[in-house]
Amino acid sequence: EIVLTQSPDFQSVSPKETVTITCRASQRIGSSLHWYQQKPDQSPKLLIKYASQSISGVPPRFSGSGSGTDFTLTINSLEAEDAATYYCHQSSSFPNTFGQGTKLEIK
Amino acid sequence: QLHLQESGPGLVKPSETLSLTCTVSGGSIGTSSYYWGWIRQPPGKGLEWIGSVYYSGTTYYNPSLKSRVTISLDTSKNQFSLKLSSVTAADTAIYYCAKIVGAWGQGTLVTVSS
Repeated sequence: EIVLTQSPDFQSVSPKETVTITCRASQRIGSSLHWYQQKPDQSPKLLIKYASQSISGVPPRFSGSGSGTDFTLTINSLEAEDAATYYCHQSSSFPNTFGQGTKLEIK
Repeated sequence: QLHLQESGPGLVKPSETLSLTCTVSGGSIGTSSYYWGWIRQPPGKGLEWIGSVYYSGTTYYNPSLKSRVTISLDTSKNQFSLKLSSVTAADTAIYYCAKIVGAWGQGTLVTVSS
């Protein structure tokens, strides 16, 4: 089973700042890494697929990069509505797995 | 636009079988080369992948649940379903259906309690 480890677990950031969340895989997974945003009492929403592919309707301040074992989600010019928990997910092999989540607080 | 909706009982007794259905609209589950899956989230915790079914009907399960899980497709109804047998309180969670990788349903809380 591929283990995904996100860092940090929690981050508190001011509006307009830039935040970077990382996801490290225990084995190489190519680009089969996806990022989700989950707000309280909502289902996860796909932000970035296959490491860096943008999703229609997602603001361009969200971007992803990486391949192999190390991946990054970058959120530029943070807004209050970006307060959420962010998860990475690998679909390279079964069982699919998720990172433990990164909770983002906007000061 | 793809839309997924979970349905099924919100309360299941210990040792019984949890059964959920996901109805998909805005796309056909049997003609596109996608995976469709079930994911769960215990209250206040992270996401756990339960299993996936390919559009052809091939299934893949989480080894930790494999002995208790069955996922199947009903292309005539554009639905896929989840059955989890011998449930315990540890199976209490919000259950989501999803297109892997894509849209998710809103989720349904299933509580295991007598």
